[in-house]
Order: sequence, then structure tokens, then C-alpha cells
Amino acid sequence: GAGVSQTPSNKVTEKGKYVELRCDPISGHTALYWYRQSLGQGPEFLIYFQGTGAADDSGLPNDRFFAVRPEGSVSTLKIQRTERGDSAVYLCASSLNRQGIAGDSNEQFFGPGTRLTVL
Amino acid sequence: SQELEQSPQSLIVQEGKNLTINCTSSKTLYGLYWYKQKYGEGLIFLMMLQKGGEEKSHEKITAKLDEKKQQSSLHITASQPSHAGIYLCGADDNFNKFYFGSGTKLNVKP
Repeated sequence: GAGVSQTPSNKVTEKGKYVELRCDPISGHTALYWYRQSLGQGPEFLIYFQGTGAADDSGLPNDRFFAVRPEGSVSTLKIQRTERGDSAVYLCASSLNRQGIAGDSNEQFFGPGTRLTVL
Repeated sequence: SQELEQSPQSLIVQEGKNLTINCTSSKTLYGLYWYKQKYGEGLIFLMMLQKGGEEKSHEKITAKLDEKKQQSSLHITASQPSHAGIYLCGADDNFNKFYFGSGTKLNVKP
């Protein structure tokens, strides 16, 4: 079956603009995660969805960042008034099970990422 | 927050040599995951360790988790150019967050 897909693969925008990044998880996966990865760093947790609800959004850096998953499948990460410091690769991952269920493997399947460049 | 430290940050080895990458946590881990990432691509799951003292192998890669569940190592035997990439350890805190180390960049010289 298809893996996690993300669109666009690359996005170049100007400072102050609004951008939307899309993630299509693996069908049937209830958990969805967004990460941000800067050059030379590991992915940084942003937000976690269980179904339609954001179970944990504590990783979002500020209120310019927002994410939705209205039907429990596709998710959109929205960034308002972009700044140069937002430039990074935004990774999406999905997993079958929610976090914290003892004995379950919370293996996350990652998409290829969206490279965002803010000029 | 839970931090994961990886060492070394980068590694260059001759093809055929063995190597080890380490991942250390400041707190007891619930689950420890190893991923591999190639430039411009997403992360590829390698292995998951959950029990103290656990060891898993896949082809020429072996991962171990210590008894205290605070340190993990990834060992590659007889490295090949196909092993080149960035190796990341990740951990969950049994709730919602998932943390990654900063990665170890591996180059294998033919």
C-alpha cells in the first residue's frame, strides 16, 4: 500500500506570507505527528493527533503555527506570517496505535517531508 | 523534557569495518527507536527496543538497550557504502511526545 505522502515537496515563500503543508497518512493509522527538522538536527516534535483531535500541541513554537485533521485522515500544517527562521524540512509521520499503549510498537512511518524556504 | 544525546556526531569508516553509535537519555526510556535517514528523504524505521537488556538484529545491524533503559547502542558489522546516511535514535515518553537525538552522520568509504 501507499506510504505517507506530503505535498508540496518544496515550498519557497516570502517572509510574511501564509503557507499550508499537507500530509496524507497511511490508511487506517489513527495517530499522526508533525515534526520540524533543521539542518544538522534531529526532528523536533510539533504536534500529535489521535484521530481528529490534537492530543498534544505543546511542540508548536508559537501561535503562528496551527494544524488540523478534520476527518481523522489528512492533516494540514498552517503557518501564518512566515519568518526566515521557519525555514526547515517539515516531516509528517503516522502510526497505527496511539502512544502509551503498553506492549505496542509505536513505529512511526515517515513521509519524505516538505522543504520550506522563507526568503 | 527528555533529551537524547547521540555520539559521535559524524563518523567516517572504511568499507568492511565495524562501527558503533550511541544514544543516551537523561531519563528512563519507555521505548527506544532507531531510524535511518538519507538526504532529502524521510526516516526509515530500523528497530525498536522496549525491555531492559533487549538486543535486536537485522542483517548486519544490531541494537541494544541497557538494563537501566537509559542507553542504547547501534552496531554495524562489516560496513558497506549502502549503510551511509544519518542514524537517529528516538524515544517516546509513554504519553504523546516523541523525541529524537541530533543524529549521527555516517560515511562509508569504498
